[in-house]
Amino acid sequence: NAGVTQTPKFQVLKTGQSMTLQCAQDMNHEYMSWYRQDPGMGLRLIHYSVGAGITDQGEVPNGYNVSRSTTEDFPLRLLSAAPSQTSVYFCASSRGQDATNEQYFGPGTRLTVT
Amino acid sequence: GDSVTQMEGPVTLSEEAFLTINCTYTATGYPSLFWYVQYPGEGLQLLLKATKADDKGSNKGFEATYRKETTSFHLEKGSVQVSDSAVYFCALTSGSRLTFGEGTQLTVNP
Repeated sequence: NAGVTQTPKFQVLKTGQSMTLQCAQDMNHEYMSWYRQDPGMGLRLIHYSVGAGITDQGEVPNGYNVSRSTTEDFPLRLLSAAPSQTSVYFCASSRGQDATNEQYFGPGTRLTVT
Repeated sequence: GDSVTQMEGPVTLSEEAFLTINCTYTATGYPSLFWYVQYPGEGLQLLLKATKADDKGSNKGFEATYRKETTSFHLEKGSVQVSDSAVYFCALTSGSRLTFGEGTQLTVNP
């Protein structure tokens, strides 16, 4: 099993550009989520999904879109990047349809917006 | 809303020292509590968990007890090693969302 994979590992964007961060898992997990990690602030939930076709907002959803067309994939879209979105982004997945089971994290994407 | 507060870091210890990282929480209902660890350059990994009051989670020599009366879940290890150097996150969930504390950087010197 590859577990949770994320691409790219690093990305630099100019303000206003758009991009998609990819996330895939091969564990047949129902629950998937996206977090951003900023110094001194821990991880903050952006969006999550409890199954294919179902998504919901987390703590900091503004500026980000998600979709879940398959169980395996959960891409995160930045429609118009801003410097405030400079961060490390982590995707995670778990069994079940809530966050009470162990979360498996990807290796992260380090995004810089200039 | 739910929140988690961890002791401020960074924490620097010598090898074989005793470790405590404090964690307190605010939540409605009966949350599950977790400690996650992040080694340099990696994603987070579950270290231990507890799902109800008075449960003790343990793994790799680390322990934490779910204390409902003090709303705490402090992480302890009796003898730390250099390989324990990492960032430690306390977290809780009471449903669809996992809420993290701000993380505590631990450095263990030989």
